[in-house]
Amino acid sequence: AQSVTQLGSHVSVSEGALVLLRCNYSSSVPPYLFWYVQYPNQGLQLLLKYTSAATLVKGINGFEAEFKKSETSFHLTKPSAHMSDAAEYFCAVSEGSGGYQKVTFGTGTKLQVIP
Amino acid sequence: GAVVSQHPSRVICKSGTSVKIECRSLDFQATTMFWYRQFPKQSLMLMATSNEGSKATYEQGVEKDKFLINHASLTLSTLTVTSAHPEDSSFYICSARGRSRGQEKLLFGSGTQLSVL
Repeated sequence: AQSVTQLGSHVSVSEGALVLLRCNYSSSVPPYLFWYVQYPNQGLQLLLKYTSAATLVKGINGFEAEFKKSETSFHLTKPSAHMSDAAEYFCAVSEGSGGYQKVTFGTGTKLQVIP
Repeated sequence: GAVVSQHPSRVICKSGTSVKIECRSLDFQATTMFWYRQFPKQSLMLMATSNEGSKATYEQGVEKDKFLINHASLTLSTLTVTSAHPEDSSFYICSARGRSRGQEKLLFGSGTQLSVL
């Protein structure tokens, strides 16, 4: 079984400040891990993914995440928040064996960027 | 590049009618399709998984006679909400898994907002 826990349903940062969105996972096999962003009334856009290659993964829009097996974490960071980053972010896990299996999503973190 | 196109993006229907949502994979053969629903301010919940040419596998608590899934080809899957009721109002998203140019991909559609009056 697999699961994802996102700490903090709402995170507020000032424009230009560091963004840190936390995600911890549970998986019985080596996982694939994802971060998605969702803007209001829109579908999901993939920010980045970890598929057992480099543990530090760089994604779009300046985001990156680090896979830490010892901490079962995959936190998302961005050095400097932009107003356009305000959205909901979902961490997700897919059991890696055999490729992309069904994806389990976290409950989401809504990011607010304060001018 | 490979994309998953989902239509319609928004639909409003009367209670008791049926609604069909389509997901098409472009430049991409979707061997597996996943259907999710998302209630307001909540996460995505997997409803069912379908492999091309096979019957869908539904998650516990999802009524298979209410949510009909067809995945007859590698480029098209449909979700039909039969006899829709207001409690079916939700955001539905498809996700397709398959290979494109030798790489395995997992792509999401842009979602369908269903409102049942």
